Amino acid sequence: QTVVTQEPSFSVSPGGTVTLTCGLSSGSVSTSYYPSWFQQTPGQAPRTLIYSTNIRSSGVPDRFSGSILGNKAALTISGAQADDESDYYCVLYTSSYSRLLGGGTKLTVL
Amino acid sequence: QVQLQESGPGLVKPSETLSLTCTVSGGSISGYYWSWIRQPPGMGLEWIGYIHYSGNTNYNSSLKSRVTISVDTSKNQLSLRLSSVTAADTAVYYCARDLGSGGGFDPWGQGTLVTVSS
Repeated sequence: QTVVTQEPSFSVSPGGTVTLTCGLSSGSVSTSYYPSWFQQTPGQAPRTLIYSTNIRSSGVPDRFSGSILGNKAALTISGAQADDESDYYCVLYTSSYSRLLGGGTKLTVL
Repeated sequence: QVQLQESGPGLVKPSETLSLTCTVSGGSISGYYWSWIRQPPGMGLEWIGYIHYSGNTNYNSSLKSRVTISVDTSKNQLSLRLSSVTAADTAVYYCARDLGSGGGFDPWGQGTLVTVSS
């Protein structure tokens, strides 16, 4: 069974830039998977940040950007702020219309 | 704006069937796909499956034999049934509008915790 891989944790300094990645246990992530990213902050409902690789959802600041880096999808956060401290998940869409979710990355801003 | 609210029993006995409802307000359930997603305590998220307002469904292959998702357009609700539950099914269950590659999951409900225990 294909597994979506994400870094379990990452840290960034306030004002810094961090790139989180989303890969596959076998194969490469391409735009054909239409990678999506969402943010989950404790006690709040998740919200989608990026969809279809690099399109920002309404209201999402342009500090958040999506791309493909090598064989993985990537979420880059520039000018990190304290309230960016959250869990970040990627979603991949398969050719059979299933949704594959990654295990999430816990981002610490310190 | 569209809002989703999950509801159902917070405690289910092992081997029984988990049943949850998601009520959509502020907009129509028609025209969209809707997904159920769950998160075991301290763990990551797992997509359970989706339903189109027309009734077309697609389930996670790992849960397919136990899952049924249905929709009631007259009540603007979707439902989840998961049979033969075990402790491993203990999780926060979310419903979300599923925009697929054209928007991801947006919005989400707040989630409801279901504990499987005797």
